[in-house]
Amino acid sequence: QSVLTQPPSVSAAPGQKVTISCSGSSSIIRHNYVSWYQQLPGTAPKLLIYDNDKRPSAIPDRFSGSKSDTSATLGITGLQTGDEADYYCGTWHSSLSTVVFGGGTKLTVL
Amino acid sequence: QVQLVESGGGLVRPGESLRLSCAASGFTFSDYYMSWIRQAPGKGLEWVSYISSTGSSIYYAESVKGRFTISRDNGENSLYLQMNSLRAEDTAVYYCAREWGGVGVPRIDPWGQGTLVTVSS
Repeated sequence: QSVLTQPPSVSAAPGQKVTISCSGSSSIIRHNYVSWYQQLPGTAPKLLIYDNDKRPSAIPDRFSGSKSDTSATLGITGLQTGDEADYYCGTWHSSLSTVVFGGGTKLTVL
Repeated sequence: QVQLVESGGGLVRPGESLRLSCAASGFTFSDYYMSWIRQAPGKGLEWVSYISSTGSSIYYAESVKGRFTISRDNGENSLYLQMNSLRAEDTAVYYCAREWGGVGVPRIDPWGQGTLVTVSS
């Protein structure tokens, strides 16, 4: 059971928009930055979003992040078949002094 | 370009030890925190350990505390993970990754290609 909860799967058609949620207790999410990672099939994860809503320079603006007190959200617009991957949220768990990840969400682009 | 290359994985029996290495290049290794993160077959990501740029601060997941030891050699641009008393549940791909946010601010990027550790009798 992950400290951060993500839906196991989401799906949408090419060109559409999808959101992936990452929920946890307010003590974890509210006071800590959330980052998001994309893992394409058979590859290592890659940083997509950091500090809740910032994108590394190589990441297209189709990807966005937001956060409220108890949840974070990854948004992907203009879906492409190449976006099919597993997506993970992560944050710092202050009480445990560890990084925690969500269980991951598998995105299918129909 | 920034590159992280893990090595040292393999098949070991329960209770045995293994040492993973990660060779870093393309950046000033001594400026960054580094992490080990693992992924069991078909499962999600599990953070294992952090080490600060100088090695003075270290953090471990509860699941490996007391059995695993993270270390680094800034002169050799290398990160290590000594794994003792291995268990079947330690079977996973182990990723080396650069942490450029520091403690409490996870910005884990890039990740190496991973090395597979299999613990089985």
